[in-house]
Order: sequence, then C-alpha cells, then structure tokens
Amino acid sequence: DIVMTQSPDSLPVSLGERATINCKSSQSVLSSINNKNYLAWYQQRPGQPPKLLIYWASTRESGVPDRFSGSGSGTDFTLTISSLQAEDVAVYYCQQHYYTQYTFGQGTKLEIK
Amino acid sequence: EVQLVESGGVLVQPGGSLRLSCAASGFAFSSFWMQWVRQVPGKGLVWVSRMNAGGSMTLYADSVKGRFIMSRDDAKNTLYLQMNSLRAEDTAFYYCTRLSVHGWADYWGQGALVTVSS
Repeated sequence: DIVMTQSPDSLPVSLGERATINCKSSQSVLSSINNKNYLAWYQQRPGQPPKLLIYWASTRESGVPDRFSGSGSGTDFTLTISSLQAEDVAVYYCQQHYYTQYTFGQGTKLEIK
Repeated sequence: EVQLVESGGVLVQPGGSLRLSCAASGFAFSSFWMQWVRQVPGKGLVWVSRMNAGGSMTLYADSVKGRFIMSRDDAKNTLYLQMNSLRAEDTAFYYCTRLSVHGWADYWGQGALVTVSS
C-alpha cells in the first residue's frame, strides 16, 4: 500500500500567521498521462465530517478561501494557510487517489497558539 | 443541494453483521463512483471501499476484503455497506462519500457510528 506521511502531527500557530503542513507519499502520485498529481487535501473541523479543500494538489475547491493553497509534485506536497483564522482550527488530511487502495495521511491537528 | 445521509449504525456483537445505508439526493446518483471511509473516534481517516457508476467494479481495503460488501441501488439512490464477521477494530464512524470522476471525495455524509462490542 502507498503510505502517506504528514508532518507535523500537531501545529500551534498564532492567529494571522502562516501555517504549513507537509505530506509525503511513499510512491509518486504524478500521472505521466495527464501530468496531474492525484493528491487531495481535506479539512475536518471538530464534530464535522471532512470537507474537500484542494484537489490535483493545488486546485482549490469552489468556495474555499484563497488563504488556502497547495503545492508540490511527485511525492512531496504542502498545504499552506497564509493567515490563520479562528475557523481554520481543524485536522487536515492529505489523500492519494492514484493507486488502487486510496490512502490518507495520519492527519495534522492545527490549533491556535 | 447534494446530500448524503447514512443510517444503520448500531451496537453489534463481535462476529455479527450489519448493513449501513447511504441515501443520496441532489445529484445524478447513478452517474457517480461512490466510496466508504471510516474513522475510529479521535483517530484518522481510513479508506474502506469504492464502487463505480453502474456497480460493476468494487474495490476494498485489505482490512475488510472478504468481510464487507459494497452495493448500490440506483433506482433508490442508495448506497449500502454489508458488514459481516465484525471485529472490535471495525468500531468507527462510517462516512459515505461521492467521488469526482478523478477520485477525490467532493461530498461527505455526516457519518454513522458502528460499535462492535460484547
């Protein structure tokens, strides 16, 4: 199975500051057919189901604030929140949807410092 | 508005069986791949299974292969997960999700809690 490893596990950030979450895949999720990275990011607020934030590693889902951005290719990816807001407190997950058995990272808990 | 509503989550004994349902509305259910994801309370997300539009192809995580059966009834706009030979480690919230054509989960239900305990 493809292993997705996120870092850090927990991230305290002050309001208005930048938050950066990393995700590493044990194998490349870049398709040679369409040159797309099959990597998505989800946000799960306390007591809520997950919500799609970003797909193709860097494309924001409709309605997602532009302070959220994704980058990376191949095996290394980053989710960045440019200026942390109180409503961004959540657990963030990356997921590869390239290989047969889709896999998630273990999650990164983002909290206010 | 796209809605996914899971039901059927209960307390069941180890070795028992249970069927979860997911009622879909607000979109052309028969045209979409669908997926189940589970989450032990307080832990991370784990992919369980997915099925193509039409129901001819189903894929499962190794941890549930041979015990869980995913199915769909397009006439009723409903997705199912038949869970057999349940174990304590199957205790989790089970989320039904819609998949985009390229595989990301663009809509999630609220989840159904399955508890396996004697």
